[in-house]
Amino acid sequence: NAGVTQTPKFQVLKTGQSMTLQCAQDMNHEYMSWYRQDPGMGLRLIHYSVGAGITDQGEVPNGYNVSRSTTEDFPLRLLSAAPSQTSVYFCASSRWGGNEKLFFGSGTQLSVL
Amino acid sequence: AQTVTQSQPEMSVQEAETVTLSCTYDTSESDYYLFWYKQPPSRQMILVIRQEAYKQQNATENRFSVNFQKAAKSFSLKISDSQLGDAAMYFCAYSANYGGSQGNLIFGKGTKLSVKP
Repeated sequence: NAGVTQTPKFQVLKTGQSMTLQCAQDMNHEYMSWYRQDPGMGLRLIHYSVGAGITDQGEVPNGYNVSRSTTEDFPLRLLSAAPSQTSVYFCASSRWGGNEKLFFGSGTQLSVL
Repeated sequence: AQTVTQSQPEMSVQEAETVTLSCTYDTSESDYYLFWYKQPPSRQMILVIRQEAYKQQNATENRFSVNFQKAAKSFSLKISDSQLGDAAMYFCAYSANYGGSQGNLIFGKGTKLSVKP
């Protein structure tokens, strides 16, 4: 049972490049979310989804785009990378919301030069 | 807006001793959930304990227990018989129980716990 799988684990981008962080879960969870973790800031919610075809913004959505075409996958797109997006990104899922235990992926360390 | 505050950026405990990590939160809601998540050096986020606000009984999970004071909006984590494997960053988190946002988590900034042998 893989749980929540994030790829890649590490990525270096140049300013202005675009990329997609992949997230997949095999637990049939309806709720999926993306967080970013910055030193001294804790985790902050970027976007979330409560089911296939439904997405919404979190606390820090600017510069990111998401879609949820299937229950299993919830990719996060950086449209035009900026140094301020250097961070560790976590995907997390649960049966139906953050009120339950969240299952986290192992994170993606992203550096934007 | 709801906020979560962890006032101790770093804490240290001797192996086998007890340590308490503090967390306060601000909300106007009456129905919500509180969590402690652990993040060891591996970076993996692990749920330690979950508390439902409408339950007065404090949650416990083996050596981990909480002191939930709803009126004071305080939610501290007590780790008993500390072990080297408890060394990690600990995050307190809040989630309101209402529809729409499905209870998105709001995290504190974390407390880094060191365990001395």
